[in-house]
Amino acid sequence: DAGVTQSPTHLIKTRGQHVTLRCSPISGHKSVSWYQQVLGQGPQFIFQYYEKEERGRGNFPDRFSARQFPNYSSELNVNALLLGDSALYLCASSRGLAQETQYFGPGTRLLVL
Amino acid sequence: GESVGLHLPTLSVQEGDNSIINCAYSNSASDYFIWYKQESGKGPQFIIDIRSNMDKRQGQRVTVLLNKTVKHLSLQIAATQPGDSAVYFCAENILGGSARQLTFGSGTQLTVLP
Repeated sequence: DAGVTQSPTHLIKTRGQHVTLRCSPISGHKSVSWYQQVLGQGPQFIFQYYEKEERGRGNFPDRFSARQFPNYSSELNVNALLLGDSALYLCASSRGLAQETQYFGPGTRLLVL
Repeated sequence: GESVGLHLPTLSVQEGDNSIINCAYSNSASDYFIWYKQESGKGPQFIIDIRSNMDKRQGQRVTVLLNKTVKHLSLQIAATQPGDSAVYFCAENILGGSARQLTFGSGTQLTVLP
């Protein structure tokens, strides 16, 4: 089975623009979580979605939003990009909320100039 | 605030030796811990997990030890190989409401020397 997939792999944007990142979970997994990983640090939790509903949110501004689709894939949107948004954005999937093990995709590397 | 931290940012070991990576946590309510391996340019890869009702868990060449008294866990890698070179993260899996989220430490860079 395919693992978690993310697109695009790399992205360059300028300040003030918006970006949409996409994630497809492992087949059979219904929960998707998003993390931001700044260079040299561990991933930071942004959102968790389950059955198309937001189930958890980290300490990120309202410029960050996400949604989950009926096929359990997910999008992360970031508006009014700042230089500090440059990071690796990781998507992780798990079978459900009660299944704790989260499996990560390769990430999308975002560079904001 | 609550956090997960690592004792050492870097660790170098000779190929064939055993590696031990340590991690301290401060949230006494944490009930589930996961070790991830992250190679350059890739997402974190699940290695092994342990629940708070266990002290030890073994996988293939890896062992995780949990000491709840001092809020410490460690990852032991036996017969370290060049392919083990990566950044290793411990993460707390915390139940907040109806969701579980991972809280990561800053990571330890393991370098395997020939």
